[in-house]
Amino acid sequence: EVQLVESGGDLIQPGGSLRLSCAASGFTFSNYAMTWVRQAPGMGLEWVSSVSDNGGNTDYADSVKGRFTISRDNSKNTLYLQMNSLRGEDTAVYYCAKYLYGSGSFFDYWGQGTLVTVSS
Amino acid sequence: EVVLTQSPATLSLSPGERATLSCRASQSVSSQLAWYQQKPGQAPSLLVYDASDRATGIPARFSGSGSGTDFTLTISSLEPEDSAVYYCQQSRHWPVTFGQGTRLEI
Repeated sequence: EVQLVESGGDLIQPGGSLRLSCAASGFTFSNYAMTWVRQAPGMGLEWVSSVSDNGGNTDYADSVKGRFTISRDNSKNTLYLQMNSLRGEDTAVYYCAKYLYGSGSFFDYWGQGTLVTVSS
Repeated sequence: EVVLTQSPATLSLSPGERATLSCRASQSVSSQLAWYQQKPGQAPSLLVYDASDRATGIPARFSGSGSGTDFTLTISSLEPEDSAVYYCQQSRHWPVTFGQGTRLEI
């Protein structure tokens, strides 16, 4: 059974930093690109960042480029999102998700999410 | 970026009825469109990808259609557990974008 478990969400002051983790199991992690998608309270879904299966290629939404860094450790089956210079508009539930194999950029398994609240 | 506009914003129907949800793209996305279901307090789950392919384990009452700029998710016979917010998502153009969602009330 595929499982994705996020952790690391917290209440953080503006300008602060946080690292999110996503522990994966139930599939061959190193074979799949992974992504982070966020959802502000009561709002819709926003793609944040993606990383290729070997970590060699990364991509970011303009809203987080230069502040967030996605990475992965295939030996630990774990995905990360380093978040720096946090702003109020970064407040959201952050989901990690697995890319669907062989299709376009669609996401077939999602974690339960971790809440990041940026506030003083 | 590609803007996906979903309609209606809210849909209220009864069990057994047919639901038709629309997603319109601001430019052609070919068939690179997916639909997700999100129940309260839960993560989204993939229903349909490539406009019309059902994801693993999704009941046949869920079907997707369309190409280019106009897409439809049809739920043929509603069940109470279908109450959720439904999102469309395109992957034809960078960045991946989502629609604002349609809330389906049963």
